[in-house]
Amino acid sequence: NAGVTQTPKFRVLKTGQSMTLLCAQDMNHEYMYWYRQDPGMGLRLIHYSVGEGTTAKGEVPDGYNVSRLKKQNFLLGLESAAPSQTSVYFCASSLITGELFFGEGSRLTVL
Amino acid sequence: AQSVTQPDIHITVSEGASLELRCNYSYGATPYLFWYVQSPGQGLQLLLKYFSGDTLVQGIKGFEAEFKRSQSSFNLRKPSVHWSDAAEYFCAVGPLIYNQGGKLIFGQGTELSVKP
Repeated sequence: NAGVTQTPKFRVLKTGQSMTLLCAQDMNHEYMYWYRQDPGMGLRLIHYSVGEGTTAKGEVPDGYNVSRLKKQNFLLGLESAAPSQTSVYFCASSLITGELFFGEGSRLTVL
Repeated sequence: AQSVTQPDIHITVSEGASLELRCNYSYGATPYLFWYVQSPGQGLQLLLKYFSGDTLVQGIKGFEAEFKRSQSSFNLRKPSVHWSDAAEYFCAVGPLIYNQGGKLIFGQGTELSVKP
């Protein structure tokens, strides 16, 4: 039971570098989400998708881009990383109702 | 504005003692309510959820939560805490259906420490 899988799990970047986080789910869920988790701030929604080929902005979208070319995959991109993007990133998926299922997280450090 | 408040950032309880984690929410419509648990270095795992029916909801690992509409609260309880319950707990509220941009709103989390 893979559920939601995120890669990579750890990454260190230098300021200005780019990278992509990959999220894959095998539950045939329509909805997918990218959150970031920072101490004392809970989870904040970056972007989300309500289906293949669609994306929308969440609460903190600046500095990030996303794509959902296939239903099972949701990519989060950082075009020019900044230290403020040091965080733990979580991908989640859901049906159109009910709970979210989370991946194990990707820890990103930007120096 | 829609929001979730977990008033306690950190709670320490002795093993075997009872536990109550508080959650208050502000939400315009009838909400879906959730409690998630996050162990160190792990993702979030669903403990329990409530939408309708009996206001006392049973979850995994011996947890329960009570929905009190008049108080806009959804507090999490456990009669006897085990050392393995040490983790961070998140309350979340969201719409019944995630259309038109509906999404879960999370509280800031409560970190639980368990003393031997």
